[in-house]
Amino acid sequence: DTEVTQTPKHLVMGMTNKKSLKCEQHMGHRAMYWYKQKAKKPPELMFVYSYEKLSINESVPSRFSPECPNSSLLNLHLHALQPEDSALYLCASSQVPDRIQETQYFGPGTRLLVL
Amino acid sequence: KQEVTQIPAALSVPEGENLVLNCSFTDSAIYNLQWFRQDPGKGLTSLLLIQSSQREQTSGRLNASLDKSSGRSTLYIAASQPGDSATYLCAVRRHSGYALNFGKGTSLLVTP
Repeated sequence: DTEVTQTPKHLVMGMTNKKSLKCEQHMGHRAMYWYKQKAKKPPELMFVYSYEKLSINESVPSRFSPECPNSSLLNLHLHALQPEDSALYLCASSQVPDRIQETQYFGPGTRLLVL
Repeated sequence: KQEVTQIPAALSVPEGENLVLNCSFTDSAIYNLQWFRQDPGKGLTSLLLIQSSQREQTSGRLNASLDKSSGRSTLYIAASQPGDSATYLCAVRRHSGYALNFGKGTSLLVTP
């Protein structure tokens, strides 16, 4: 099983809502990532979790709050978002975060629209 | 700061043609380089990963090369098929940290 799953596939939320994105992998990977991809742009790294601990936060605004409850799950909690936060949010995982030959496996993404 | 550039931005070819996609990067201190495929509105599928010490990798009709000293990689697709139509992204992994720096991609259309 080389699959990373993400739910929901689509999400529409208002600027005052609180919602969460969920990512799951059962490959035994110990590194998990959140990327944000705007239309016609490449993905940009937001957060990295290594062995369930937050290791990188790429200066992401606090209205995005990641959580890694266990080695298979990664959440992204959203609160008071802005319309410019509308994007495709991609989750990825890799076996061990600091091995140079690691391939990152990506999920299908959650397409978020903030009204 | 690592800058990754992909040329061309878009490419349309008839079925059966061989084609080359180009990727260049400004900082040669990389761990590896990956080529991904992304279908519209979908996630990324890893195609090939080349370690910094390697020169090329092959998978089926795909061949990727890496010239680290000149900061270039190419993705060669042989005998293209309409199913190859997608956006192809090149990404380099920095020596420091886990982040992948992506290019903007090449949008490929293979016409029957």
